[in-house]
Amino acid sequence: GDSVTQMEGPVTLSEEAFLTINCTYTATGYPSLFWYVQYPGEGLQLLLKATKADDKGSNKGFEATYRKETTSFHLEKGSVQVSDSAVYFCALSNRGSTLGRLYFGRGTQLTVWP
Amino acid sequence: ETGVTQSPTHLIKTRGQQVTLRCSSQSGHNTVSWYQQALGQGPQFIFQYYREEENGRGNFPPRFSGLQFPNYSSELNVNALELDDSALYLCASSSDADFAYEQYFGPGTRLTVT
Repeated sequence: GDSVTQMEGPVTLSEEAFLTINCTYTATGYPSLFWYVQYPGEGLQLLLKATKADDKGSNKGFEATYRKETTSFHLEKGSVQVSDSAVYFCALSNRGSTLGRLYFGRGTQLTVWP
Repeated sequence: ETGVTQSPTHLIKTRGQQVTLRCSSQSGHNTVSWYQQALGQGPQFIFQYYREEENGRGNFPPRFSGLQFPNYSSELNVNALELDDSALYLCASSSDADFAYEQYFGPGTRLTVT
């Protein structure tokens, strides 16, 4: 079945460091891929998405490229800030009878120190 | 445009009791999905409601049930609560007119079962 595997955390970085969070997926067909962010005590916010192979999603300095050949959607940011501290979830949805059902990874906790 | 809202914010129940959680979908959305997020885990799909009918279900027992109303708001009911039901319950709305069926999440209801 469809699933997402995320790099385990926690990840601790200094401000302005480079961030990579790995995400790979298993799915039939052509899923859409997403990164969601969850700040402490809050729900999920969509960070970025890509709906087909080779698409690059980007938002707030974060980027991820949909790589079908490696079934990956790694999240990157060139220079993290303290305000980026949160839990990041990789997710996929696949076309089927359930509209947009999301399969999530376990999440990666990111802490950025000043 | 009003976003997805959920009530209550927090709830404490005793094992064996029943609980009802409520979700108002974003304006223009006709699909509601419910997810359970246990502490330290990624959200797990419970079920989805579309046109007032259940449209897909995850691996949850029948004591998890729901409703969708003509205004597209939704309820999640859980009977015979167990300690393992303690989690953050997230509601997400989407539109069948959206090619990617992007999900918009509410802030969640934190349920504690003692």
